[in-house]
Amino acid sequence: DAGVIQSPRHEVTEMGQEVTLRCKPISGHNSLFWYRQTMMRGLELLIYFNNNVPIDDSGMPEDRFSAKMPNASFSTLKIQPSEPRDSAVYFCASSPIAGGGEQFFGPGTRLTVL
Amino acid sequence: EDKVVQSPLSLVVHEGDTVTLNCSYEVTNFRSLLWYKQEKKAPTFLFMLTSSGIEKKSGRLSSILDKKELFSILNITATQTGDSAVYLCAVKKSSGDKLTFGTGTRLAVRP
Repeated sequence: DAGVIQSPRHEVTEMGQEVTLRCKPISGHNSLFWYRQTMMRGLELLIYFNNNVPIDDSGMPEDRFSAKMPNASFSTLKIQPSEPRDSAVYFCASSPIAGGGEQFFGPGTRLTVL
Repeated sequence: EDKVVQSPLSLVVHEGDTVTLNCSYEVTNFRSLLWYKQEKKAPTFLFMLTSSGIEKKSGRLSSILDKKELFSILNITATQTGDSAVYLCAVKKSSGDKLTFGTGTRLAVRP
């Protein structure tokens, strides 16, 4: 079984550019989560979806960040414009049922904004 | 504000040692506590605990939850170099699916 798939695995961009991160959850999973991990703040939830509907976006840092889930098998996290402080590893995770158990993490996208 | 605090922040042991990692939490409407292992990549799930006093075990790893004192421990016996990782603790509330993570304990197992 394929796990959570994320692309790209690494992204280096310049300040001010738009960045789009992509995620394909595990087939059949109904919940999808976007996390950001930094040394200073650890692993933080940005937003999550249940059945393609955004449920909690209170972790999205500011208006420069947006996330969409147009269907059950695809989600994007967009940063526009990007800033150096956005440099982090961004993880996508999925879970089989809303309100259920463990989340399965993708390999992450390491973003560097110069 | 929900809090998850892990201790120690880091730990160095030798192969064969037994280690205990701690996780304490302050969360309203607690539902479950989860442990993850993170090597140089994505966190991988270890245990989910919802009831006090019931030990969960997987090989050399075990974990238990105390809902009265609001903490959990993760034990690793006969440590191996492959156990070297960051161990993350997270809590889930009874409403919603959000996980709040601690900052982790970095474990290094020396040969």
